[in-house]
Amino acid sequence: GENVEQHPSTLSVQEGDSAVIKCTYSDSASNYFPWYKQELGKRPQLIIDIRSNVGEKKDQRIAVTLNKTAKHFSLHITETQPEDSAVYFCAASGWDGGSQGNLIFGKGTKLSVKP
Amino acid sequence: DTGVSQDPRHKITKRGQNVTFRCDPISEHNRLYWYRQTLGQGPEFLTYFQNEAQLEKSRLLSDRFSAERPKGSFSTLEIQRTEQGDSAMYLCASSSQGAPYEQYFGPGTRLTVT
Repeated sequence: GENVEQHPSTLSVQEGDSAVIKCTYSDSASNYFPWYKQELGKRPQLIIDIRSNVGEKKDQRIAVTLNKTAKHFSLHITETQPEDSAVYFCAASGWDGGSQGNLIFGKGTKLSVKP
Repeated sequence: DTGVSQDPRHKITKRGQNVTFRCDPISEHNRLYWYRQTLGQGPEFLTYFQNEAQLEKSRLLSDRFSAERPKGSFSTLEIQRTEQGDSAMYLCASSSQGAPYEQYFGPGTRLTVT
């Protein structure tokens, strides 16, 4: 089955710097890659996603890149702010329009943005 | 609040007791997922419904666990004869027919088995 590895497990940056979180997946059939942000005691929140027919997607300060050949994808946050501090999870899914659709998550990256 | 809701938010039970959790998805969403999250880990998939049909179950879902979605709206997850290892956050997520990839999570039910 699918396995998702996420690095680093913790990341500390100064406010205004960029942060990059990387994930690799094992199943070449996976075709959907979302990123979730989870603040302490709160629900995971979908912040951006990418499908396998796209190499890069950007939404304001957040971007995601996908390399299907190498089976890895990354989250890039620019101009970080203290409110970006949270645990970020990557995930992969082999959605085929039928019965599949469950997400396989990485173990998370705790991002701390220091003012 | 039109998001996914879960009840109760917290549950403390003694080992061996049965517990039941409820999830109400976003109203137009026909797909519903249950996940389990332990401290320091990402959510782990348990089971998935499309309308009232349970289409997929993880091997994590032992025979002590059962889930239902009788009318294709809310869902319940029951754990029988709870064990201390069942202590975790149980998360529900839902997605729509039009955007089946995008799963939106509820606030979770935190279960503590003593």
